[in-house]
Amino acid sequence: AQSVTQPDIHITVSEGASLELRCNYSYGATPYLFWYVQSPGQGLQLLLKYFSGDTLVQGIKGFEAEFKRSQSSFNLRKPSVHWSDAAEYFCAVKGGYQKVTFGIGTKLQVIP
Amino acid sequence: KAGVTQTPRYLIKTRGQQVTLSCSPISGHRSVSWYQQTPGQGLQFLFEYFSETQRNKGNFPGRFSGRQFSNSRSEMNVSTLELGDSALYLCASSLGFSIQGEYEQYFGPGTRLTVT
Repeated sequence: AQSVTQPDIHITVSEGASLELRCNYSYGATPYLFWYVQSPGQGLQLLLKYFSGDTLVQGIKGFEAEFKRSQSSFNLRKPSVHWSDAAEYFCAVKGGYQKVTFGIGTKLQVIP
Repeated sequence: KAGVTQTPRYLIKTRGQQVTLSCSPISGHRSVSWYQQTPGQGLQFLFEYFSETQRNKGNFPGRFSGRQFSNSRSEMNVSTLELGDSALYLCASSLGFSIQGEYEQYFGPGTRLTVT
């Protein structure tokens, strides 16, 4: 079975500071990995995905994520956070032919 | 290209009633998945449809059902509503379905269901 853990429920960062959101997965092989963002009252928007190849993945809105097999992690990063990045972020994992499993989400607050 | 659309956006129902939610996928997408999102449980998978056939089902009671039409539009139905069914119901579409390794889902804005 596959699972995904987002250990941080809430994170607060100052505008302009760097950001790292943690995601750990459990799956017997290399899964497909995703990060989504959800603004209040909206659906989920795909930020980036990892299927194979380069372990550093670039996404939209200046986000990137790094796949680390040894740590079973897929952490999301952004060098400089903007107030508009305040939202909830979901990591998701898909192992082989299984359906997608989502993490519980991390709420990001950005303070001026 | 238009995104995933869901109707209605907001709905208030009374316990015991039934409700039908609709989802129109991105043009060309043949797979539709439904999720229930609540603050305590996060996103819970309901079911996935591809080519009018249910391909995957989550752990929800039989009161939750769905279907997909030949144009890939999908509906989900919840009968005998309970207070705990209050949630944001999200629909996601994709080109293929989960049996294919690489695929990504695109989400609609959701339907906010409140059961009183």
